[in-house]
Amino acid sequence: AQSVTQLDSQVPVFEEAPVELRCNYSSSVSVYLFWYVQYPNQGLQLLLKYLSGSTLVKGINGFEAEFNKSQTSFHLRKPSVHISDTAEYFCAVTKPYTDKLIFGTGTRLQVFP
Amino acid sequence: DAGVTQSPTHLIKTRGQHVTLRCSPISGHKSVSWYQQVLGQGPQFIFQYYEKEERGRGNFPDRFSARQFPNYSSELNVNALLLGDSALYLCASSFRLLGQDNEKLFFGSGTQLSVL
Repeated sequence: AQSVTQLDSQVPVFEEAPVELRCNYSSSVSVYLFWYVQYPNQGLQLLLKYLSGSTLVKGINGFEAEFNKSQTSFHLRKPSVHISDTAEYFCAVTKPYTDKLIFGTGTRLQVFP
Repeated sequence: DAGVTQSPTHLIKTRGQHVTLRCSPISGHKSVSWYQQVLGQGPQFIFQYYEKEERGRGNFPDRFSARQFPNYSSELNVNALLLGDSALYLCASSFRLLGQDNEKLFFGSGTQLSVL
């Protein structure tokens, strides 16, 4: 079975500062990894995904993540955040060829002016 | 093109009642999955249907059931509602299964169910 741990429930940061949201996973098989963002009263929007290939994945809105198999991590980074990045961020894992995503508990990113 | 649409957006029910939630996938998408998101938690997988067949079921009681219609839309049914069923119910669709041809999963905005 797969599982995901998001180590920080809340991350406060000032505007234009860099940010890293941490995600660790466990699985005995190959997995796909995802980061989703959820704005208030909305569904989930895909930021980026890792299926295979290059371990550095670039997504939308200037976010990127690095897959580290030895550390079983998939941390999300942005070099300079904006107020509009304030949202809930979810890391998720799945086995190939299924839509059964296993989500972490989420990290609330709060960007202050 | 319309995204994944869910109806209703909000719903209030009392304990013991039954509820039906509806989902229309993006046009052409054959896979529909359902997730329950309790306040302050990540979404939890309930069901997946692909080409009208159940492909996966999460750890939910038999009170939860779902089906997919010939036009690929889907319904989630919950019987004998409990207070703990209060949550945001999310529907997601994809053309193929994740991992096939760089497929992506698209989520709707959800149905907020409150059980009183």
